[in-house]
Amino acid sequence: DAKTTQPPSMDCAEGRAANLPCNHSTISGNEYVYWYRQIHSQGPQYIIHGLKNNETNEMASLIITEDRKSSTLILPHATLRDTAVYYCIVRVGPNFGNEKLTFGTGTRLTIIP
Amino acid sequence: IAGITQAPTSQILAAGRRMTLRCTQDMRHNAMYWYRQDLGLGLRLIHYSNTAGTTGKGEVPDGYSVSRANTDDFPLTLASAVPSQTSVYFCASSEEGGAGKLFFGSGTQLSVL
Repeated sequence: DAKTTQPPSMDCAEGRAANLPCNHSTISGNEYVYWYRQIHSQGPQYIIHGLKNNETNEMASLIITEDRKSSTLILPHATLRDTAVYYCIVRVGPNFGNEKLTFGTGTRLTIIP
Repeated sequence: IAGITQAPTSQILAAGRRMTLRCTQDMRHNAMYWYRQDLGLGLRLIHYSNTAGTTGKGEVPDGYSVSRANTDDFPLTLASAVPSQTSVYFCASSEEGGAGKLFFGSGTQLSVL
């Protein structure tokens, strides 16, 4: 799976959009971008994933650059409950034979009141 | 509420003792996983199972064993616990076998003294 690079920490004001970047310059054509987050002492929580098109769900939006070498997770209206470590993961899509999901160290996002 | 249940929530264990961490899911997911999380090392895959009756080794399998007798249960056993197995253990499941969208339990904090 391709390696990802994320800033170790970020702050965002409550109510503003939080934009979390991720670089994955060695991504392969069949690799998806996944985002998870982990709120303190809880298990990681799936947020969103995509291949090459931008994606949106009830939690967030995922913007993937045209060359697919980087992506941005957008939390449109951050709340204090969004304070967490956010993990960007790149891996081959759902199929057997690639069971390891590598989380890395992620970005610690702090929402400021 | 559907999801993954882990037990116990926390445990203090003497070195050399045998311990089984329990994991049950009611989502009928085919694939299940055990991760451990350590400060500075992130989440590391211990063992996985793509479907009932099959298991596989992850990144750090030594000292651990698993079984998958049915779809719902995926226990993790430490045959003879050592202090380096002090960690937070997370069980997860996914619909697809390739570990894309994972659902995590709330974790077991294990201390081996």
